[in-house]
Amino acid sequence: EVQLVESGGGLVQPGGSLRLSCATSGFTFSDHYMDWVRQAPGKGLEWVGRTRNKANSYSTEYAASVKGRFTVSRDDSKNSLYLQMNSLEIEDTAVYYCARSSTAMSRWYFDLWGRGTLVTVSS
Amino acid sequence: DIQMTQSPSSLSASVGDRVTITCRASQGISNYLAWFQQKPGKAPKSLIYGASSLQSGVPSKFSGSGSGTDFTLTISSLQPEDFATYYCQQHDTYPLTFGGGTKVEMK
Repeated sequence: EVQLVESGGGLVQPGGSLRLSCATSGFTFSDHYMDWVRQAPGKGLEWVGRTRNKANSYSTEYAASVKGRFTVSRDDSKNSLYLQMNSLEIEDTAVYYCARSSTAMSRWYFDLWGRGTLVTVSS
Repeated sequence: DIQMTQSPSSLSASVGDRVTITCRASQGISNYLAWFQQKPGKAPKSLIYGASSLQSGVPSKFSGSGSGTDFTLTISSLQPEDFATYYCQQHDTYPLTFGGGTKVEMK
């Protein structure tokens, strides 16, 4: 079965750090770009960041709101995606989704989502 | 950044209705436009990519069209399981950006 399962969410104080994980199965993880997307309570979807695949040097892209604070990484040997979040702010409170991206027409698009993990930043 | 504007932000419809949601990009994105469905408390589900290509397993009652800056998602005959919030997203340029969502409610 193809699936993405996030873990690592929880309550953290402002200024703190947290590392999210996304365990995948059922597909060739190393072929795909992988993304993190978040959703603040009662709000819409916000893309957080992306890691490309090995063929594209595992390069990364970030939203301006998290650049310099968050790091997206992957371990193809473990079929896993990670999000290291530092200097957390109250505005980072959200459900964080792991998303798989596939390619067509020279662009990459989300095609599979995990169930999400809740991160709450509060004192 | 490319701004994605959806309209309406909400709509009321009945089972069997044809529903159309519009998404406009602040600059041209060719056909690099995706649509997602999200139900309360659930993860988004991918419906369409490349403006009009259906994701595997998505029923043909969903269709997408458009290119450049103006796009539409159509549900040909609304069913009870289709009441949800729908988001568009451009997958042309970084940062990837989403529309604000359209909530489809039961009339």
